[in-house]
Amino acid sequence: GAVVSQHPSWVICKSGTSVKIECRSLDFQATTMFWYRQFPKQSLMLMATSNEGSKATYEQGVEKDKFLINHASLTLSTLTVTSAHPEDSSFYICSARGGYSSYNEQFFGPGTRLTVL
Amino acid sequence: KQEVTQIPAALSVPEGENLVLNCSFTDSAIYNLQWFRQDPGKGLTSLLLIQSSQREQTSGRLNASLDKSSGRSTLYIAASQPGDSATYLCAVVQLGNKLVFGAGTILRVKS
Repeated sequence: GAVVSQHPSWVICKSGTSVKIECRSLDFQATTMFWYRQFPKQSLMLMATSNEGSKATYEQGVEKDKFLINHASLTLSTLTVTSAHPEDSSFYICSARGGYSSYNEQFFGPGTRLTVL
Repeated sequence: KQEVTQIPAALSVPEGENLVLNCSFTDSAIYNLQWFRQDPGKGLTSLLLIQSSQREQTSGRLNASLDKSSGRSTLYIAASQPGDSATYLCAVVQLGNKLVFGAGTILRVKS
């Protein structure tokens, strides 16, 4: 149990376009979802925390107008990178908590590789 | 601000060797500590979660310890195998249920 999926697994887009990444909890209801980004050879950095039905809370330095997060249901959160630029190229990973999550454990998705040309 | 440090940054060992990965954190006010494995270009696989009240957790050939007062955790891998080659990440859960990650230790086990 406690499976989290992401779609797409990789995406290549042109500079200036917007890209949407989906994060789904497949077998449990996720009251909270988290979005991280990871640059090559670096660790994960938390971008934002989203609770179902409410606005996301962004970490310092993360532009909320650029990284739009929607957590419309207990099994789905989306991250939209608006007007993407090459510096947004990164590995984006989501995690979810709820249901199976004892001790505040987060379950991670497989990640989405974004390349902006 | 919580900072998590992992030592060494990279480690290369022959197959069969026992090894220890180290993790330290600056703020001892944590809820739990978690060790993850990440294969290249992949997501995270949770290995062990230690609650703040616990001293250690074991799963198969893996043993993780936690000394909350000194801000340290170790991950012990017994009888290492080439399939253990990956990046190992340590993360602490603190106020607000946020995970703060270390930079990771890149492990290579040579056959």
